[in-house]
Amino acid sequence: QSALTQPASVSGSPGQSITISCTGTSSDVGGYNYVSWYQQHPGKAPKYMIYEVSNRPSGVSNRFSGSKSGNTASLTISGLQAEDEADYYCSSYTSSSTYVFGIGTKVTVL
Amino acid sequence: QVQLVQSGAEVKRPGASVKVSCKASGYSFSSYTMHWVRQAPGQRLEWMGWISAGNVNTKYSQKFQGRVTLTSDTSASTLYMELSSLRSEDTAVYYCVRGPGTYFDYWGQGTLVTVSS
Repeated sequence: QSALTQPASVSGSPGQSITISCTGTSSDVGGYNYVSWYQQHPGKAPKYMIYEVSNRPSGVSNRFSGSKSGNTASLTISGLQAEDEADYYCSSYTSSSTYVFGIGTKVTVL
Repeated sequence: QVQLVQSGAEVKRPGASVKVSCKASGYSFSSYTMHWVRQAPGQRLEWMGWISAGNVNTKYSQKFQGRVTLTSDTSASTLYMELSSLRSEDTAVYYCVRGPGTYFDYWGQGTLVTVSS
């Protein structure tokens, strides 16, 4: 199972909005509404930010939102803040009853 | 509150096996599927496998099939991940993760496994 494709890096200024894409195939991202997103700060365990494409867990800022179109899912961070600087990973359930992560995107707040 | 506490760092020789434990608390252990995810230094997250609630079924990533074994002791609310035939590329932080559905909500603190001769 190949990793999902994400941009290596995305940057933005404080207050701006950025979008991270996550591209898979019809056997994973495109086939199910089971895409989730994780934020990871250096040296820390990942934290889930979005599940089932667009659902936000309690306690996660409403500045984070998710969507999907075809084989590509997206995470949008609006009102970018310094604390949002981290690595972000998408994940999808697959037709083999397994899971696959994206390659990860480093978000830099300028 | 939900806690997943993993065993400490390990150093192993190539060809050896390692067994990492993960003790769960703060929720009904038998009600959730549990996953193992690893991350090599500076690399992406990599899903390894899951073990179903009640220790009935397991599913492994094709990459690790034949080398990884997931087990659990429900009486002790503890999970185990054993990886055999270790090679240098297996040097990574290994996480146990709770899976309430098709996502991962609570993560252990991670266990660094170093494979070196």
